[in-house]
Amino acid sequence: EAQVTQNPRYLITVTGKKLTVTCSQNMNHEYMSWYRQDPGLGLRQIYYSMNVEVTDKGDVPEGYKVSRKEKRNFPLILESPSPNQTSLYFCASSSHFTYEQYFGPGTRLTVT
Amino acid sequence: DAKTTQPNSMESNEEEPVHLPCNHSTISGTDYIHWYRQLPSQGPEYVIHGLTSNVNNRMASLAIAEDRKSSTLILHRATLRDAAVYYCILRDLNSGGSNYKLTFGKGTLLTVNP
Repeated sequence: EAQVTQNPRYLITVTGKKLTVTCSQNMNHEYMSWYRQDPGLGLRQIYYSMNVEVTDKGDVPEGYKVSRKEKRNFPLILESPSPNQTSLYFCASSSHFTYEQYFGPGTRLTVT
Repeated sequence: DAKTTQPNSMESNEEEPVHLPCNHSTISGTDYIHWYRQLPSQGPEYVIHGLTSNVNNRMASLAIAEDRKSSTLILHRATLRDAAVYYCILRDLNSGGSNYKLTFGKGTLLTVNP
């Protein structure tokens, strides 16, 4: 089954403790992206990647890092999480040849 | 990105058709009209997209006005599973080769009554 998976689905952590949210897709998609969703602000793009080893900032990249060493994986790294990064995070992927983007199930992160 | 305007909420009865409107008066000639929906506690899900002509797929139909300043997503027979937030999004055809970012607005919350 074609899908985007994210882990963990839920995470509660403390300020400053480094964490990684993994994202993996099994569709051989070139494009991958991370969004965060906050009440009243909608979904905002954090980072994206057009292909392996190619990443770029989205609209709200501060406090986040990403890497794209393999085509299927696009982890989101929070080196020193802060409470304002408490949010619902979605990973998405797409082929360069179609317009449809596939989203993961989301990761709900709480930073205390 | 060109802006879209949707009603905040709409209500429908199960097994009846639903017409979800979207206004995009500043649409450019190279903007595709996309619709995504987000079911409760899930990630957004692609529904349909079009450029100028009306489009049909297994999930829905998309009716695009002749001047392209508005469009309507049509669910032919709403089910309880169709209760979701529906987003109308414009994406530039010429964005190919760069970021495929989707700019989500507030969308329309569709409630389906049994």
